[in-house]
Amino acid sequence: QKEVEQDPGPLSVPEGAIVSLNCTYSNSAFQYFMWYRQYSRKGPELLMYTYSSGNKEDGRFTAQVDKSSKYISLFIRDSQPSDSATYLCAMSAVTGANNLFFGTGTRLTVIP
Amino acid sequence: DVKVTQSSRYLVKRTGEKVFLECVQDMDHENMFWYRQDPGLGLRLIYFSYDVKMKEKGDIPEGYSVSREKKERFSLILESASTNQTSMYLCASSLPSHSNQPQHFGDGTRLSIL
Repeated sequence: QKEVEQDPGPLSVPEGAIVSLNCTYSNSAFQYFMWYRQYSRKGPELLMYTYSSGNKEDGRFTAQVDKSSKYISLFIRDSQPSDSATYLCAMSAVTGANNLFFGTGTRLTVIP
Repeated sequence: DVKVTQSSRYLVKRTGEKVFLECVQDMDHENMFWYRQDPGLGLRLIYFSYDVKMKEKGDIPEGYSVSREKKERFSLILESASTNQTSMYLCASSLPSHSNQPQHFGDGTRLSIL
């Protein structure tokens, strides 16, 4: 079993839709959770960073962590064509160290 | 803002060549990392370094080596390039683990080995 599971998609939604992206994990020691956005032919860009359980909101983006279910989500409200990218979840027990585990990414397309 | 710069966006080399990929960060980060990214496999850690002249193997170090002579620069070396090393290579940096800060990535080098 992989440490982190993420549906690769692809996911296509109309502009303005609410998008839900999800990852599940198996290691209960994970306590730092990240979402990266990766545009085509670019490197991953840090989008959201949360510690432990709960919600974090930043503009149209909300990151949610449910440690009891080992499940994290990224919600995008009022999705825009510029949100079209691959979204990677990542998590670790300790930040900055070599034990960062990534999902394989979900490819999202927002159709105008 | 953190800036991680990889010297080449695209690189084409031949089998058997020695290949150098360079990465520079401008935020005085202690930790630096090299990953490769392949479709369906996600990011896999090749090597990382937590200080100058220090290096640690990641999950897939075979066929690679690294060099960190200065804090801001971390080089990945393909000793004798092979076609199975065709991939997207990503460099990242971060503050030390106790800082609770995440990794920041460069834009990657897409390497093709012919």
